[in-house]
Amino acid sequence: AQKVTQAQTEISVVEKEDVTLDCVYETRDTTYYLFWYKQPPSGELVFLIRRNSFDEQNEISGRYSWNFQKSTSSFNFTITASQVVDSAVYFCALSDALIKAAGNKLTFGGGTRVLVKP
Amino acid sequence: EAEVAQSPRYKITEKSQAVAFWCDPISGHATLYWYRQILGQGPELLVQFQDESVVDDSQLPKDRFSAERLKGVDSTLKIQPAELGDSAMYLCASSSNPMVLRAFFGQGTRLTVV
Repeated sequence: AQKVTQAQTEISVVEKEDVTLDCVYETRDTTYYLFWYKQPPSGELVFLIRRNSFDEQNEISGRYSWNFQKSTSSFNFTITASQVVDSAVYFCALSDALIKAAGNKLTFGGGTRVLVKP
Repeated sequence: EAEVAQSPRYKITEKSQAVAFWCDPISGHATLYWYRQILGQGPELLVQFQDESVVDDSQLPKDRFSAERLKGVDSTLKIQPAELGDSAMYLCASSSNPMVLRAFFGQGTRLTVV
């Protein structure tokens, strides 16, 4: 069975501080995808990134960066120079990378609420 | 950008009543998901469709929940009878690929059972 753990339930920072969100996952699949989604107060989940388990290269996109370490089953997310608009709940998720008859689904962690204060 | 449409946005219903939610996925997306998100938790899959066929409903409480996607386009999720514990956000998502390379989510229906 797949499992995603986000140990931090809430993080509060002051604007311009960096914030790192932890994500640890469990899976028996050898190939899988990892995701981060953002859920603003409006409710919809906004896709941020997808990583293939074969690709451990870290990625940076603007103020966002991701650190994937297969050896520790972690896929951490850092927001640099946080802004008030970054306030949201962030979810890490996992999906298997081979099509399965029973369907491929996203398994989500419990989420981390980020509050950025001005 | 195309969106997943859900209605209603909010629903308040009394315990033991029936309630239904509607979802219209992005055009051309064959894979459709219904997730339930209890306040303070991550979304959990209720049912997954590939076209009009259910491929995973292992977590759907079938004694009271039902889901259909008759023509492989829009979908309806029904609860009858509703219970207090059903209060949650119900999210619909769609994907062009069953491997969930990228799932697009609607804004959800927030259900409150009183």
